Amino acid sequence: DIQMTQSPSTLSAFVGDRVTITCRASQSITSWLAWYQQQPGKAPKLLIYMASNLAIGVPSRFSGSGSGTEFTLTISSLQPDDFATYYCQHYHTPFWTFGQGTKVEVK
Amino acid sequence: QLHLQESGPGLVKPLETLSLTCTVSGGSISGSTSNWVWLRQPPEKGLEWIGTVQYSGTTYYTSSLTSRVLISVDTSTNHFSLRLTSVTAADTAVYYCARHLQDFGADSWGQGTLVTVSS
Repeated sequence: DIQMTQSPSTLSAFVGDRVTITCRASQSITSWLAWYQQQPGKAPKLLIYMASNLAIGVPSRFSGSGSGTEFTLTISSLQPDDFATYYCQHYHTPFWTFGQGTKVEVK
Repeated sequence: QLHLQESGPGLVKPLETLSLTCTVSGGSISGSTSNWVWLRQPPEKGLEWIGTVQYSGTTYYTSSLTSRVLISVDTSTNHFSLRLTSVTAADTAVYYCARHLQDFGADSWGQGTLVTVSS
């Protein structure tokens, strides 16, 4: 199975900060990577697909980059609604795996 | 707009079978660009992919559950189902159904349903 490793596990930041989350795959997944945002008690929401494409309705302050084994999710200016947990997920094969999650909390 | 809704018992006894259904509305479950996915999230933990079914009925399961899980699709009623046998407390989780739209990842999700395994 392809392993996905996210860092950091927790990130403390202020409103307005630039935030970057990293996701590493144990083998190349080319660009078959998605990012999700999950608010407490809610289902995850797709933010980014194919590593760098913004899903419909997602604010432009979110961006994704990377290919192969190294990927990043960046929030250019953190807003109050962005305090949540973020997951990366590969779909390079039908056997999906998720990163362990990064909780973005108020500093 | 596509809507997915999980349904099934919220409490299952140890060693019994967990059965959930996901009803899809606002679109057809038969489209060739869509696969249908079950995922779960134990309390205070991360997301786990359980398995995927294509409209053709082809299935893929996570290796840790493959001996206990069955996912099926019913195109006539526009729903797909999850069966997990011989459950234990470790199977207590919020279970989600979702659509995997080709190239997009899981773009539509159900609200999730909590299943507790307890006697």
